[in-house]
Amino acid sequence: DTAVSQTPKYLVTQMGNDKSIKCEQNLGHDTMYWYKQDSKKFLKIMFSYNNKELIINETVPNRFSPKSPDKAHLNLHINSLELGDSAVYFCASSQRGRNYGYTFGSGTRLTVV
Amino acid sequence: AQKVTQAQTEISVVEKEDVTLDCVYETRDTTYYLFWYKQPPSGELVFLIRRNSFDEQNEISGRYSWNFQKSTSSFNFTITASQVVDSAVYFCALSPSNTGKLIFGQGTTLQVKP
Repeated sequence: DTAVSQTPKYLVTQMGNDKSIKCEQNLGHDTMYWYKQDSKKFLKIMFSYNNKELIINETVPNRFSPKSPDKAHLNLHINSLELGDSAVYFCASSQRGRNYGYTFGSGTRLTVV
Repeated sequence: AQKVTQAQTEISVVEKEDVTLDCVYETRDTTYYLFWYKQPPSGELVFLIRRNSFDEQNEISGRYSWNFQKSTSSFNFTITASQVVDSAVYFCALSPSNTGKLIFGQGTTLQVKP
């Protein structure tokens, strides 16, 4: 069973399009995240949701809108895609407490042409 | 400021050599977590270890070992008898206790040659 699954794995699209990436976790974690990895491999947090509530928004352009219908899902919608949005996007989930775990999905490689 | 620095951008070793990847962090929090992740060429992020700020015991897992020193704000990772399969990008990350987010270092690319 995949713990954190995100779809699609690859996404190639033209500038100006709108696209979504979906993420689901079956670990029962209460917090989910989106991270962006740029072409230099640098990883940076974009958003965090705790029990469907947005708790972190790291100065991401408002073309990016996360949506969490329930605590097991966190989707990322991107409007008016730009060349600079090309990156790998990772979803993650975590659960605080004694066995603090932090699990990443396998990533979505977005290429904007 | 909260920051993680991995000063080594790339390291190249020959198989069976030992190699240490450095990680230095900055935080004013007294409670925090430190992580190491491996990113092989296939691209996924593989969890290696988590340490909390109150546990300075070194840890060994097979050929991997970690040295956590609060006095120098360092959390270094050593691979003993490196293998070609260890070739990957390795990330050190800091998680302040009150945010849940991971602050990553720039990553160290390790190449192990046969």
